[in-house]
Amino acid sequence: KAGVTQTPRYLIKTRGQQVTLSCSPISGHRSVSWYQQTPGQGLQFLFEYFSETQRNKGNFPGRFSGRQFSNSRSEMNVSTLELGDSALYLCASSLVADSYNEQFFGPGTRLTVL
Amino acid sequence: DQQVKQNSPSLSVQEGRISILNCDYTNSMFDYFLWYKKYPAEGPTFLISISSIKDKNEDGRFTVFLNKSAKHLSLHIVPSQPGDSAVYFCAASGRGGADGLTFGKGTHLIIQP
Repeated sequence: KAGVTQTPRYLIKTRGQQVTLSCSPISGHRSVSWYQQTPGQGLQFLFEYFSETQRNKGNFPGRFSGRQFSNSRSEMNVSTLELGDSALYLCASSLVADSYNEQFFGPGTRLTVL
Repeated sequence: DQQVKQNSPSLSVQEGRISILNCDYTNSMFDYFLWYKKYPAEGPTFLISISSIKDKNEDGRFTVFLNKSAKHLSLHIVPSQPGDSAVYFCAASGRGGADGLTFGKGTHLIIQP
């Protein structure tokens, strides 16, 4: 069974640009969560999608948004990039929502904002 | 305000000995706790979890202890093996998981031969 895949793996952008990251969950998984990992703040929850609906949202500004498609693939978008958005963005999938002990993480997308 | 704290950024343990990783939390609404392990260039991998109705959960070499009154949990690895060298994250969720997972900043465990 293929794991969670994230594309691209690495990305370099400049301040003010926008970026879209993609996550393909494990086949059959309907819940996708996104996390931001930075050296200063550690791992922080961004949002969770289940059946194309956002269920939960972390404490991030509105520049961070996401969506989920009918095939459970998810995208997250960050608009008007700031230097502080440089981070590893991780996505995790699970069969159902709130199933954290059965959540599988992808390898992440490393975003660098210059 | 960090709700989940791992106060030791790194920990070095000799192979074969016990590794004890600690985690403190401040939010009394947390009722489910997890430990994840992360190797470089990979996403975190779920290790073990514990519900607030328990004080101990074991899975092979891994045991998690929860002290609710102290708002403290710990992960014990016995015996420690070289492959255990990784960053370990403690995480917590509230009732219903309404706010997703709240993670600590991680502890880098180094197992020395």
